Amino acid sequence: QVTLKESGPGMLQPSKTLSLTCSFSGFSLSTSGMVVSWIRQPSGKSLEWLAAIDWDGDKYYNPSLKSRLTVSKNTSNTQVFLKITSVDIADTATYYCARSEATVGVPNWFAYWGQGTLVTVSS
Amino acid sequence: DIQMTQSPSLLSASVGDRVTLNCKASQNIYKNLAWYQQKLGEAPKLLIYNANSLQTGIPSRFSGSGSGTDFTLTISSLQPEDVATYFCQQYYSGLTFGSGTKLEIK
Repeated sequence: QVTLKESGPGMLQPSKTLSLTCSFSGFSLSTSGMVVSWIRQPSGKSLEWLAAIDWDGDKYYNPSLKSRLTVSKNTSNTQVFLKITSVDIADTATYYCARSEATVGVPNWFAYWGQGTLVTVSS
Repeated sequence: DIQMTQSPSLLSASVGDRVTLNCKASQNIYKNLAWYQQKLGEAPKLLIYNANSLQTGIPSRFSGSGSGTDFTLTISSLQPEDVATYFCQQYYSGLTFGSGTKLEIK
């Protein structure tokens, strides 16, 4: 059974760095074809793909946010992390991690999602 | 960037109706399209991938069609539990989502 769960600070101040963790079970990110992405959704709005990391450690970023994002994984391939620097109010959203399967690593569709973690940026 | 436009933004229909939701890409994405259902307070759920492939466990009343720039999600007989917002997503170049269609029961 594949499960993913996000964790984060809940609230942080503008200009700080947001650190998020996606902990998952039911698969290993070392398995060929596995890709874990971060996607966010401001309240009442649509979804925005942020970043992904694949089984080979290759990383993919949304070009519009690339300069602020860093995605990584742990050595046991059970967690994926996302850091977003210099946050502001516009970064307030529910942040999801989600799993894809791909032959060349680039994410495609997302069959498994975490429950999401709400992050509020406020002074 | 490839832009995804969904219409209508709000759809009201009766139980048992055949419902059609639309998604248009700003350029040819072939069949690189997925559909998701998101109920209030929940994460999105994958319904359709590769434009017309039904995800395992999804009821057969859901179907997808289209290729190129124009795509459709059809619910053959609307059920009360289908109340949700539906998003399309392209994965041909980068990954972008549409703005969503909110489906209500009349």
